[in-house]
Amino acid sequence: GAGVSQSPRYKVAKRGQDVALRCDPISGHVSLFWYQQALGQGPEFLTYFQNEAQLDKSGLPSDRFFAERPEGSVSTLKIQRTQQEDSAVYLCASSSRQGLSGNTIYFGEGSWLTVV
Amino acid sequence: AQSVAQPEDQVNVAEGNPLTVKCTYSVSGNPYLFWYVQYPNRGLQFLLKYITGDNLVKGSYGFEAEFNKSQTSFHLKKPSALVSDSALYFCAVRDDSSASKIIFGSGTRLSIRP
Repeated sequence: GAGVSQSPRYKVAKRGQDVALRCDPISGHVSLFWYQQALGQGPEFLTYFQNEAQLDKSGLPSDRFFAERPEGSVSTLKIQRTQQEDSAVYLCASSSRQGLSGNTIYFGEGSWLTVV
Repeated sequence: AQSVAQPEDQVNVAEGNPLTVKCTYSVSGNPYLFWYVQYPNRGLQFLLKYITGDNLVKGSYGFEAEFNKSQTSFHLKKPSALVSDSALYFCAVRDDSSASKIIFGSGTRLSIRP
């Protein structure tokens, strides 16, 4: 596609419910990132994939957070037993080539999660 | 470890005046520096980046940024502000020892008054 696509755009979950957020990166992009952005804050890194391999998951805040990219394209971020502190915008991003730190990362519009 | 500081939460400028949004960084290797803009209820849009070469980088919508290695700064500038430039601006850094994450600053809200 032309850009990074995320769904759903908006999700309201009851506390304790599991949620799944989907990301379709730009076609052909090798690298995929997930970030969490709290209201009024900068994005915080969650995890990074190079193709299907999850190379860095140091930013995942707890074992309730899980991300996968089984075929090296679409990725899903899953949050189990959601808590109110999980309310945030979850941003997915992709970039074209691996191993090149100067590559631009392109972001999707985000999935807005509200836990009530 | 890499880090980014945006010392101003908000910058207010009159339309037509020059604007500067400040950013300083800290990395262990060579820095790769980025500016992104975020409009309400939208994702981040790429503005410009510095990788190597000329210290003055030109980007989208008439924005430019100057890389200053001695001051470890990468301030965003525009000669003449527009009301439509009002948005949230994020500086970000990646060092050449990491092919993965980029680290974002806390953001600066730019407000341009007519």
